[in-house]
Order: sequence, then structure tokens, then C-alpha cells
Amino acid sequence: GAVVSQHPSWVICKSGTSVKIECRSLDFQATTMFWYRQFPKQSLMLMATSNEGSKATYEQGVEKDKFLINHASLTLSTLTVTSAHPEDSSFYICSATGTDYNEQFFGPGTRLTVL
Amino acid sequence: LAKTTQPISMDSYEGQEVNITCSHNNIATNDYITWYQQFPSQGPRFIIQGYKTKVTNEVASLFIPADRKSSTLSLPRVSLSDTAVYYCLVGGGYQKVTFGTGTKLQVIP
Repeated sequence: GAVVSQHPSWVICKSGTSVKIECRSLDFQATTMFWYRQFPKQSLMLMATSNEGSKATYEQGVEKDKFLINHASLTLSTLTVTSAHPEDSSFYICSATGTDYNEQFFGPGTRLTVL
Repeated sequence: LAKTTQPISMDSYEGQEVNITCSHNNIATNDYITWYQQFPSQGPRFIIQGYKTKVTNEVASLFIPADRKSSTLSLPRVSLSDTAVYYCLVGGGYQKVTFGTGTKLQVIP
């Protein structure tokens, strides 16, 4: 149980375009979802926290107008990277949790490459 | 947010028991301690979680002293496939957590 999926698993886009990444909880209701970014050989860095039906809370230094997060349902959150640039290339990972859990369940990650 | 400190890397031979200790001096009363394993280009995978004393599951044991300011993940008889980065996280469910450096475990044949 407690499975989280992400789509796509990898994406390549041109500089200046927007990319949407989906995060789904497959078998539980995710009241809270988190988005992380991980650069090569580094740890995960929290970007934002989203609660279903509410606006996301962004970490310091993360541009909310560039990284749009929508958590419209209890099973789906999306991260849209707007006007992507090469420096946005990274591994994006979401996690989800619900009221019955004490831990976060992580998705498999999405590799974004901006050319 | 509770800050965690772990060794950056460890080496172990196949078949040995590996113990990875994490310090979390400012753990809060209602915080749980959770350990995750991450392989390259994959999301973290849950290993074990505990609140106090000892917890054991089919893959690992977690030892937590009475003051809860540290915890030790024990992996019995590691194999090459256990080569990964191991993170300890402190918090609970819907609380945001801070990932530390993690411990890169290299299992040697």
C-alpha cells in the first residue's frame, strides 16, 4: 500500500517552454504533498508543501511564479516549471502523506533536462 | 525542524552487519524517526520508522536510546544491492522535513 507515482519519469524540453509534472497517490488520500528537487550528488531540497485545496507554501528562495503547484484533489498534485531554463534541469521528486500516516511516501522522481 | 547529522560515507564488506548512526539533538516530543534508502535516479524508499526503543522489520532494525537524540539503523548481512544513500528524517507525516547529507554506503565484494 501507500504508492506514489510520477509522470513523466523523464522529460526533455527547450529553454523557454513550460513543463508539467504529475504526482499521484494511487491507493490513499494524500492530504499533504511535498515537492523536492535533487541535483547530482546532492541531497533532496524541499521546494514546497501543498495541502489539498489550499495554496502551496514555498521554501525560501523558491520562485512561486516559476514553479506552479496545484493540489486540486486528494490524489493529484502537479508541478509546472514555467519558462524553463537549463539551470532548472534536475531530478524532481514528490512525496505524499495522509492523516493515517507518520511518514512520507515518495514518488520515483522525474528527470527534467532543459536544452 | 530537527536537524540531522550522519556520516557522509561508509564502506562495508558483503555479509557484514552495518550500523549507521544519526544525531538529532533537537528532536521534538511528537517527532518520529524514519530511515529511507535511495538509489541513483530513484525516489527515496521507506526502510523503517520508530519513536523509541527498538524496532525491527524484515530488512533492518532501528535502535533509539531513551533520550531520542540519536538513532542507529542496523542492516544485517549487507549485500552489494544495499549500496545506496541512507537518510534519517525526523518529523511526522504531514510535517515538512529537512534532508541531511545522508550516508553513502558502499558494499564491497
